[in-house]
Amino acid sequence: DAKTTQPPSMDCAEGRAANLPCNHSTISGNEYVYWYRQIHSQGPQYIIHGLKNNETNEMASLIITEDRKSSTLILPHATLRDTAVYYCIVEAGGTSYGKLTFGQGTILTVHP
Amino acid sequence: NAGVTQTPKFRVLKTGQSMTLLCAQDMNHEYMYWYRQDPGMGLRLIHYSVGEGTTAKGEVPDGYNVSRLKKQNFLLGLESAAPSQTSVYFCASSYLSPKQETQYFGPGTRLLVL
Repeated sequence: DAKTTQPPSMDCAEGRAANLPCNHSTISGNEYVYWYRQIHSQGPQYIIHGLKNNETNEMASLIITEDRKSSTLILPHATLRDTAVYYCIVEAGGTSYGKLTFGQGTILTVHP
Repeated sequence: NAGVTQTPKFRVLKTGQSMTLLCAQDMNHEYMYWYRQDPGMGLRLIHYSVGEGTTAKGEVPDGYNVSRLKKQNFLLGLESAAPSQTSVYFCASSYLSPKQETQYFGPGTRLLVL
């Protein structure tokens, strides 16, 4: 069974914030939420990750609900170059190897 | 730094032929991975390595072999290619870290098996 549920596609206007939701209702206490994206034909790119607290870096913000059952990735000012497939991944930290399970993701299309 | 590089970028094979895909990283990462991605699907882990001289099976290891003779290189071999192995292959690497799984991916190798 998939650990995460994401909408298959979303649209966003250029310059506006893109808010990508992810449900992970069965997340365990030691599992992190990771976000990666894959721009067409390229290798996936790490965006951000978090455990409990909200996180922000130069690319995006990650908002995790208090019960940790869902999260939202926020791209504050989307550009055309942000058009990509966005993957929300839940995996335990401290594992013996870096296992990432990629699902279908959300296709984000940023329009002019 | 070049990051993670993959060779070749594209290859066409006939059924039964063999080939080796090369992944190289210059970030001194301990962990390295090979994934495959089929059209419209997410990535699936083939094999991985937690250090020089070590390899282990991932989710879809059948039909592939790997070797990690040097820390910076991770080779993926197809001994007898099949059409079902037509895919895009991505290599990745990461630090040995108990708290995060930030993987750095290469640009991919597109393989077509006829």
